[in-house]
Amino acid sequence: EDQVTQSPEALRLQEGESSSLNCSYTVSGLRGLFWYRQDPGKGPEFLFTLYSAGEEKEKERLKATLTKKESFLHITAPKPEDSATYLCAVQAGDSWGKLQFGAGTQVVVTP
Amino acid sequence: NAGVTQTPKFQVLKTGQSMTLQCAQDMNHEYMSWYRQDPGMGLRLIHYSVGAGITDQGEVPNGYNVSRSTTEDFPLRLLSAAPSQTSVYFCASSYRAGGTSEQFFGPGTRLTVL
Repeated sequence: EDQVTQSPEALRLQEGESSSLNCSYTVSGLRGLFWYRQDPGKGPEFLFTLYSAGEEKEKERLKATLTKKESFLHITAPKPEDSATYLCAVQAGDSWGKLQFGAGTQVVVTP
Repeated sequence: NAGVTQTPKFQVLKTGQSMTLQCAQDMNHEYMSWYRQDPGMGLRLIHYSVGAGITDQGEVPNGYNVSRSTTEDFPLRLLSAAPSQTSVYFCASSYRAGGTSEQFFGPGTRLTVL
């Protein structure tokens, strides 16, 4: 059974204090690993797709990396506007676009 | 493009009532899906569709029905609402079924069943 576990559940950072979020997964034939950002009261917003171990993608202060067992979302010098819940999801090789989501990491960045 | 739209934004039902949550997309996407989001549990797939006339069950389909008569619309029907269906519901779409294209999410419907 496909499984996605995110840690920590919550993270409180000072502005400028870099940190990393973890997404560990077990899936039968990874087709893609997705990172989303979700603001309170809104739908998830797509950030990255990673396809194979060793791949990295960057967007502003965010960088996502992928190994065979886990993915990391690194937040470099965060700002208060980076406060959100970050969701990780995997798509298995035999699925029709079906995503298995983790429970998310809630990030709060204080000035 | 309006993207993925959902109506209503909020809804309160009594146990046993039925209702339909509406979802529409104007991006000509093949794939559409419904998720529910509960605290501490992440998003769970209810039903999905890979094209007009084709639907299938996800992880938590009991108590819900779907149909897809057009590419644009994918309504979710609650047959007889129960308090366990209190949740936030999200509709999502992506360009191609079977691919790994990103899924676009709607703004959600917050449903309370009393």
